[in-house]
Amino acid sequence: DAGITQSPRYKITETGRQVTLMCHQTWSHSYMFWYRQDLGHGLRLIYYSAAADITDKGEVPDGYVVSRSKTENFPLTLESATRSQTSVYFCASLTGGVVNGYTFGSGTRLTVV
Amino acid sequence: QKEVEQDPGPLSVPEGAIVSLNCTYSNSAFQYFMWYRQYSRKGPELLMYTYSSGNKEDGRFTAQVDKSSKYISLFIRDSQPSDSATYLCAMNDAGNNRKLIWGLGTSLGVNP
Repeated sequence: DAGITQSPRYKITETGRQVTLMCHQTWSHSYMFWYRQDLGHGLRLIYYSAAADITDKGEVPDGYVVSRSKTENFPLTLESATRSQTSVYFCASLTGGVVNGYTFGSGTRLTVV
Repeated sequence: QKEVEQDPGPLSVPEGAIVSLNCTYSNSAFQYFMWYRQYSRKGPELLMYTYSSGNKEDGRFTAQVDKSSKYISLFIRDSQPSDSATYLCAMNDAGNNRKLIWGLGTSLGVNP
């Protein structure tokens, strides 16, 4: 099916472990984004990418690493998970301008214990 | 102070009511104003957008922008239980036309 697929949907991990959240799009949208969504903070941009091998920091990048070797994949890695990184993570893609609308995945609910 | 302010609610209305959702913003350079709808345990999806000032209507939904007051609104007429969701306003980052600045979202419940 066309769209954005995030995996896993749910993840529980321990403090200090490395975790990678996957994001795959079936189109060739140039822009991709990683957000976290928390009560009281809304959507906060972690990293974004304008094209393969081009990434840039967003509002809250500390503790996260991204890569984009292929246009369709944009994994997000938590290098050493902390409890403050417990959140719902959304990946999104965009083609053209913002008026085309971001297409979001269904999210990954991450709990760090 | 956040660039975009939105009352998180929750807002609860009876079926058939007219709903008004609002955001204020501080950056006069914003040009595109969007409303996204987010159902529980799903990602947001674009509902409608407006460029600059004015109104835009799409079925039961009307988006309104007042740039002089830095105030945007989304009106829902004849609200339905299926409209129960979180509504997020978003505006383009003046420095990067692909990045959005988001409101916190308003949680709306429409009771049958």
